[in-house]
Amino acid sequence: DAGVTQSPTHLIKTRGQQVTLRCSPKSGHDTVSWYQQALGQGPQFIFQYYEEEERQRGNFPDRFSGHQFPNYSSELNVNALLLGDSALYLCASSLDPGQATEAFFGQGTRLTVV
Amino acid sequence: GDSVTQMEGPVTLSEEAFLTINCTYTATGYPSLFWYVQYPGEGLQLLLKATKADDKGSNKGFEATYRKETTSFHLEKGSVQVSDSAVYFCALSPQGGSEKLVFGKGTKLTVNP
Repeated sequence: DAGVTQSPTHLIKTRGQQVTLRCSPKSGHDTVSWYQQALGQGPQFIFQYYEEEERQRGNFPDRFSGHQFPNYSSELNVNALLLGDSALYLCASSLDPGQATEAFFGQGTRLTVV
Repeated sequence: GDSVTQMEGPVTLSEEAFLTINCTYTATGYPSLFWYVQYPGEGLQLLLKATKADDKGSNKGFEATYRKETTSFHLEKGSVQVSDSAVYFCALSPQGGSEKLVFGKGTKLTVNP
């Protein structure tokens, strides 16, 4: 079992550009959540996808959008990048959001905006 | 809103010392509580969890008890090892399921030989 895999591992973008990050959930998991972890801070919830729909959203602007595919993999898109978007972006997968099951995290994508 | 407050770091201990990392929470419902660990260059790993009041989570010698009366979930280990050096995050799941997690800011632990 490969666990949660994210790509790419590192990315450098210029302010104003757009970026897409990808996540494959752990085998058997149907729910994907995205988090932003700024340097020295705890992860902040961006949104969660279940059954290809955004189920919950944190306090992030509309520049942050996502998608979940029929195979449960997911993408995070960020438009009009700002320097403040530089962070580690973590994907977590789990089973059915209604159950108290463990969330498994990927190693993250380190995004640097210059 | 829901929030988690954990003790500021960094924490530096000698091997075999006793560890306590304090964590308190604010939540309106009946949250589940978690401790996650992040080793350098890696993602988060679940260390332990508790889903209701008075539950004790334990794993790899670490323990934490869900105290509803003090809204706390302090992490303890009787004898730390160099390999325990990492950043520890306290977190809650507001409705007790696997919906969004609310994290504290993290506490960096360094254990010296």
